[in-house]
Amino acid sequence: DAGVIQSPRHEVTEMGQEVTLRCKPISGHDYLFWYRQTMMRGLELLIYFNNNVPIDDSGMPEDRFSAKMPNASFSTLKIQPSEPRDSAVYFCASSPDLRGANTGELFFGEGSRLTVL
Amino acid sequence: QQPVQSPQAVILREGEDAVINCSSSKALYSVHWYRQKHGEAPVFLMILLKGGEQKGHDKISASFNEKKQQSSLYLTASQLSYSGTYFCGTEEIGETSYDKVIFGPGTSLSVIP
Repeated sequence: DAGVIQSPRHEVTEMGQEVTLRCKPISGHDYLFWYRQTMMRGLELLIYFNNNVPIDDSGMPEDRFSAKMPNASFSTLKIQPSEPRDSAVYFCASSPDLRGANTGELFFGEGSRLTVL
Repeated sequence: QQPVQSPQAVILREGEDAVINCSSSKALYSVHWYRQKHGEAPVFLMILLKGGEQKGHDKISASFNEKKQQSSLYLTASQLSYSGTYFCGTEEIGETSYDKVIFGPGTSLSVIP
């Protein structure tokens, strides 16, 4: 398997522009997570899905952020309008089963580094 | 609720041992440990489930005291490749069958020759 695939790897945009980050989880994984990482705040959970359904979006900073998972193989995180404080590395991770007998491991993508000028 | 990690940073010489601690104020179902190297994604090390088991592979092991909501990661005979930031992630026992992994602030570990 190719692992979790994120795009774009790097994005530089200007304040006010719309940003869309994409994620393809590992096939067969039921859970998908979006995390944001900054020096100040570390790894923050933004939202997670189970079987394409959003379960907890309490970590989404504000209404400018939205996430969708239209099918089992694709998710997007959208920021509209973007602001400089949104600059961070955004990670997508998938997991086969959080409480499974095996590991409950999170498989992370390489991340999307966003810079908002 | 974000778990607390200590120490924030540690510098070791090759061959020395280190302990990284993680604690939570909430009852936990599991504790995850990940290592992240600069510019890369976090990589899974191990998960410890409710039940107080200890796990390990190679020279890295961990324990989980569910009564104290604490976990410790033990690195023995450290190698240069152990350098990175170590994160613990906790899954709190909640009211629903779904839960989430919240990561601590990380512990930066540097192994020098």
